[in-house]
Amino acid sequence: EVQLVETGGGLVQPGKSLKLTCATSGFTFSNAWMHWVRQSPEKQLEWVAQIKAKSNNYATYYAESVKGRFTISRDDSKSSVYLQMNSLKEEDTAIYYCTPYNWAYWGQGVMVTVSS
Amino acid sequence: DIQMTQSPSSMSASLGDRVTITCQASQDIGNNLIWFQQKPGKSPRPMIYYATNLANGVPSRFSGSRSGSDYSLTISSLESEDMADYHCLQYKQYPLTFGSGTKLEIK
Repeated sequence: EVQLVETGGGLVQPGKSLKLTCATSGFTFSNAWMHWVRQSPEKQLEWVAQIKAKSNNYATYYAESVKGRFTISRDDSKSSVYLQMNSLKEEDTAIYYCTPYNWAYWGQGVMVTVSS
Repeated sequence: DIQMTQSPSSMSASLGDRVTITCQASQDIGNNLIWFQQKPGKSPRPMIYYATNLANGVPSRFSGSRSGSDYSLTISSLESEDMADYHCLQYKQYPLTFGSGTKLEIK
């Protein structure tokens, strides 16, 4: 059974940092390209970032809204993908999901609230 | 960036109705589009891959089609369990972009 569990969310002040973790199981993680997607309180979905596999040199891609502030990474030995979020803004408030390349499996999401 | 213009933003339909939701792409995306269903409090679920291919386990009343730059999700005969939000996603080009979503309610 495929499982994805996102952790690391919470309430943080603007300008601060947070690191999300997505722990996975049930599929061959090392071959899988992974995405982070977020959903605003207004229910709008936004693609955030992608990381490819080792065979693709772990290439990364970002939405313009997070480029330079967020960093996606992975640890194949732990079947986990991460999202380091720096210089957080109120507009980063959302539920953050991880999902693999085929979009077939999603975690339950983790809430990030940026507010003073 | 490729803009995905989704319509309508919300709609109400009766059980048994035929329902169509559309996403218009601002640039050519080929058939690189996925339709998702999202029920309240749940994560998105892919319904249609590559514009027209039904995902595993999705009822056959759902279908996807393309006409030029317009991509449609159709429910041939609406059932109560279809009440949900629907989103399209283009993955032809970075940044990947979602439509603005459609809230489907049952009359």
